[in-house]
Amino acid sequence: QSVLTQPPSVSGAPGQRVTISCTGSSSIIGTGYDVHWYQQLPGTAPKLLIYGNNNRPSGVPDRFSGSKSGTSASLAITGLQAEDEADYYCQSSDSSLSALVFGGGTKLTVL
Amino acid sequence: QVQLQESGPGLVKPSETLSLTCTVSGGSVSSGSYYWNWIRQPPGKGLEWIGYIYYTGSTNYNPSLKSRVTMSVDTSRNQFSLKLSSVTAADTAVYYCARGLRTTPSFFDQWGQGTLVTVSS
Repeated sequence: QSVLTQPPSVSGAPGQRVTISCTGSSSIIGTGYDVHWYQQLPGTAPKLLIYGNNNRPSGVPDRFSGSKSGTSASLAITGLQAEDEADYYCQSSDSSLSALVFGGGTKLTVL
Repeated sequence: QVQLQESGPGLVKPSETLSLTCTVSGGSVSSGSYYWNWIRQPPGKGLEWIGYIYYTGSTNYNPSLKSRVTMSVDTSRNQFSLKLSSVTAADTAVYYCARGLRTTPSFFDQWGQGTLVTVSS
């Protein structure tokens, strides 16, 4: 059981907008720690998608955006494309565990 | 562009020690800007951070694995390594090495391709 909670799955049609939530306890996101997001395409290593809540590394399309409020963070994907079908993970730090932690992951299906 | 590559046995017997090495190319493990991490993913499951090592040799391990984990760094070979002792079937996973930024919290901007380690007799 992850200390960061994500929905197991989300889906959307091409061109639509989807959001993936990431909820943590007061010892994680609530402490002010940043949240980062990764995309894992089938059979590949995870790839950094968003860092520091809302920053995109070079090469990541601006269709991907992140936000954080209180003890929750969200990843939004607009203009959904078939190639976005993947697993998405949020990540932060747990001050009570002194550990880096991941959410359980969300499988995005493009209908 | 820095690249990371995991290497080590793909099969380990229960109760034995899993040993993996990550070779870094295109960059230096001696860079003061990064932590060098191990992360694993059991088949069909999510990601679990194992720990990191800094080039000075200082470490930070996941408390859930701390009693079984040892990490080391070899700056002359530009490599860092993981040892996980007393393995069981629950340690079967794809093991990734990853570069982490020295931020709070750290995040992982470069990953190896991963290597599957199966624990079985």
